[in-house]
Amino acid sequence: AQKVTQAQTEISVVEKEDVTLDCVYETRDTTYYLFWYKQPPSGELVFLIRRNSFDEQNEISGRYSWNFQKSTSSFNFTITASQVVDSAVYFCALSNYNQGGKLIFGQGTELSVKP
Amino acid sequence: EAGVAQSPRYKIIEKRQSVAFWCNPISGHATLYWYQQILGQGPKLLIQFQNNGVVDDSQLPKDRFSAERLKGVDSTLKIQPAKLEDSAVYLCASSSGTSGEETQYFGPGTRLLVL
Repeated sequence: AQKVTQAQTEISVVEKEDVTLDCVYETRDTTYYLFWYKQPPSGELVFLIRRNSFDEQNEISGRYSWNFQKSTSSFNFTITASQVVDSAVYFCALSNYNQGGKLIFGQGTELSVKP
Repeated sequence: EAGVAQSPRYKIIEKRQSVAFWCNPISGHATLYWYQQILGQGPKLLIQFQNNGVVDDSQLPKDRFSAERLKGVDSTLKIQPAKLEDSAVYLCASSSGTSGEETQYFGPGTRLLVL
């Protein structure tokens, strides 16, 4: 079975704090892809990053960084020096190779960054 | 490059009425997805098209939901008759393939309220 779990339903931080959003996944496939999307109040899902199962290198993009660990089936997302504009719901998602591309989403983590 | 377009953005109907949503994917994207996102949850796939053929409709409630992509470009999702539990955001996404590696890009969604 494939499943994505985001245990943190809501997180509230003060601007400039660092925050980590957790994502744990389950899959039997050896080739799979992990994604993070941001959903601001406007509702549109905005793509942030994609990783494949063979690439465990951490990635940094500006204030965003991602930590992929196959040993713990986790793909965590850290925002450094958070800003009010980071307030949104963040979704982690999984797709398996050659299974049509369907995305399996976690429940989402609502991040609130207060000034 | 234009993104995924959806209309209408909002719709309010009474139960047992019918409703239709329209989606136009990113130009050149062969794969089109419809997801349902109930408040507080992650999106769930309803149906996936590759060109004008259905790849996966296993989660589509076929007694009331239907979808088509006749010319392999834009798509329509219909609900008839609507139930209260159909209140949700209906998201359309598109990608260039179906291997699972391709990134899905989402439209702004249609917010449906069934009274």
